[in-house]
Amino acid sequence: KAGVTQTPRYLIKTRGQQVTLSCSPISGHRSVSWYQQTPGQGLQFLFEYFSETQRNKGNFPGRFSGRQFSNSRSEMNVSTLELGDSALYLCASSLSGRPPEQYFGPGTRLTVT
Amino acid sequence: LAKTTQPISMDSYEGQEVNITCSHNNIATNDYITWYQQFPSQGPRFIIQGYKTKVTNEVASLFIPADRKSSTLSLPRVSLSDTAVYYCLVGDGGNTPLVFGKGTRLSVIA
Repeated sequence: KAGVTQTPRYLIKTRGQQVTLSCSPISGHRSVSWYQQTPGQGLQFLFEYFSETQRNKGNFPGRFSGRQFSNSRSEMNVSTLELGDSALYLCASSLSGRPPEQYFGPGTRLTVT
Repeated sequence: LAKTTQPISMDSYEGQEVNITCSHNNIATNDYITWYQQFPSQGPRFIIQGYKTKVTNEVASLFIPADRKSSTLSLPRVSLSDTAVYYCLVGDGGNTPLVFGKGTRLSVIA
């Protein structure tokens, strides 16, 4: 079975631009979660989608948004990029989210200049 | 939201058994205990999950006492490739998201 895939793997953007990251979960998984990882803050939860509905949301500004499609694929969007948004963005999928057995993708390394 | 406490770092020699203990005093009835392993610049990898007593798979064992206020991840005969950060999480994966702490940085020495 194919694992979680994320595209693109690397991205360089300029401050003020916006970016869209994509995540394809493991086949059959309906829950997709997004995390931001930085050296200073560690792994921080952004949001979770289940059956196209946002089920949980972390403590991030509204510039961070996401959505999930009917095939469970998910996208994450960050508008008006700031230097501090430079991070590894990780996507994780699970069957239903409960119990929380998540499988992570390789991540997208975003650099904002 | 259950919080976890684990050692910041641990060192071990190759071939030894490593036990990493995690404290979660406020664990809720429906919460599971899940451990992940992460290498630099990679996504965390699911290792093992349990609710109570002992769980064993091909990679590790997870020991959970009756009060469930702590858990111990046991890695048998570690090798250099086990050098990584190990995270302990508690949660039911439902309406409250999982929270990653700082994890335990395990260094395996030859």
